[in-house]
Amino acid sequence: AQTVTQSQPEMSVQEAETVTLSCTYDTSESDYYLFWYKQPPSRQMILVIRQEAYKQQNATENRFSVNFQKAAKSFSLKISDSQLGDAAMYFCAYRTPSGGGADGLTFGKGTHLIIQP
Amino acid sequence: NAGVTQTPKFRILKIGQSMTLQCTQDMNHNYMYWYRQDPGMGLKLIYYSVGAGITDKGEVPNGYNVSRSTTEDFPLRLELAAPSQTSVYFCASSSSLAGGPYEQYFGPGTRLTVT
Repeated sequence: AQTVTQSQPEMSVQEAETVTLSCTYDTSESDYYLFWYKQPPSRQMILVIRQEAYKQQNATENRFSVNFQKAAKSFSLKISDSQLGDAAMYFCAYRTPSGGGADGLTFGKGTHLIIQP
Repeated sequence: NAGVTQTPKFRILKIGQSMTLQCTQDMNHNYMYWYRQDPGMGLKLIYYSVGAGITDKGEVPNGYNVSRSTTEDFPLRLELAAPSQTSVYFCASSSSLAGGPYEQYFGPGTRLTVT
């Protein structure tokens, strides 16, 4: 079974600084997808960024980028120019393409990101 | 565009009671999912469905039942509620179009307390 590990229960960063959240995963699959979701106090799960394992180029969405190291099974999220609105729980998630997308996501336990003004 | 909606937002149940959590999506997605999120944890898959009339168990299905009579709706039934079912429940949906990556869109969640 696949597992996702987020080793940082909590991270704190000054507003406007850069922070990196770590995620590692364990799988025997060669093709899969990885995601970062943000969960603010409202509880809503919001997709931040996605990465297809077959793509060597790291995904980027505005201030959010990933460092995908397939051999190391590592998928870290970098947030640049941190803003107060970035404060939330961040979850790393994994899924395989088997079943045509029907499989659910496997989530890590999350990292609580605090933004210091 | 409402996306994925869930009702109710909050509910308190007594041990042994039953209830149905409602989930509806308006994105014409074939795939739908139910997750639970316990305090300090990530989400765990309870059940999923690949289309109307087809459902399958996820990681933690015990104590729950689902049905899928339409593409839009995917209700989750709790029978004989137990304190261990106190959690936040999320419904999600995703497209089944070929090519992936099939990211999931989540509803706002239902906070359930069983006492």
